[in-house]
Amino acid sequence: GEEVAQTPKHLVRGEGQKAKLYCAPIKGHSYVFWYQQVLKNEFKFLISFQNENVFDETGMPKERFSAKCLPNSPCSLEIQATKLEDSAVYFCASSQSGREWVKNIQYFGAGTRLSVL
Amino acid sequence: TQLLEQSPQFLSIQEGENLTVYCNSSSVFSSLQWYRQEPGEGPVLLVTVVTGGEVKKLKRLTFQFGDARKDSSLHITAAQTGDTGLYLCAGASYGQNFVFGPGTRLSVLP
Repeated sequence: GEEVAQTPKHLVRGEGQKAKLYCAPIKGHSYVFWYQQVLKNEFKFLISFQNENVFDETGMPKERFSAKCLPNSPCSLEIQATKLEDSAVYFCASSQSGREWVKNIQYFGAGTRLSVL
Repeated sequence: TQLLEQSPQFLSIQEGENLTVYCNSSSVFSSLQWYRQEPGEGPVLLVTVVTGGEVKKLKRLTFQFGDARKDSSLHITAAQTGDTGLYLCAGASYGQNFVFGPGTRLSVLP
């Protein structure tokens, strides 16, 4: 598609429940990034993929968080046993490949707002 | 760990005024990007700067990348109410991921 599509727009979970978020990158983009935005400001990098391979996962919490980008499927971010502090907007971005990928534009989706009650 | 700071954190001005927001780091970046985010939406890229000392203009917005590629500024001339939003800078370096600053929340009042 021509834009990054994130679903659902809003997800409500009780503490301890599982949450799964989806992201369809722009067609032809090789890089996918997941970010967590709390308090409407700070963006925290979680994980990035180059195609279906993890590129950098240094931002992922060691426990409860996992992510995948499988061929011919939307990428997913899953949180097991959600906690109150997981409440945030989760953004996905995609970017074209290329040797100088740091200069490439990241296109962001509209985000998924996760509310943990 | 690379960190980006932005100042001011909040800015409220009248329509027609000029303003400058800053993005600073102790680290060198291969490129630096500026985004604007509006409520309920994802950030939208305004500009990417890659060369130290580079200046880019986008209508009433002027972006500058510091000579040492550690800092950047965004200047808006004759601000309009449509400029209201959260301005984020993000730095990137080869082998590392994008790092976002905490943002400057701009309110332009009519």
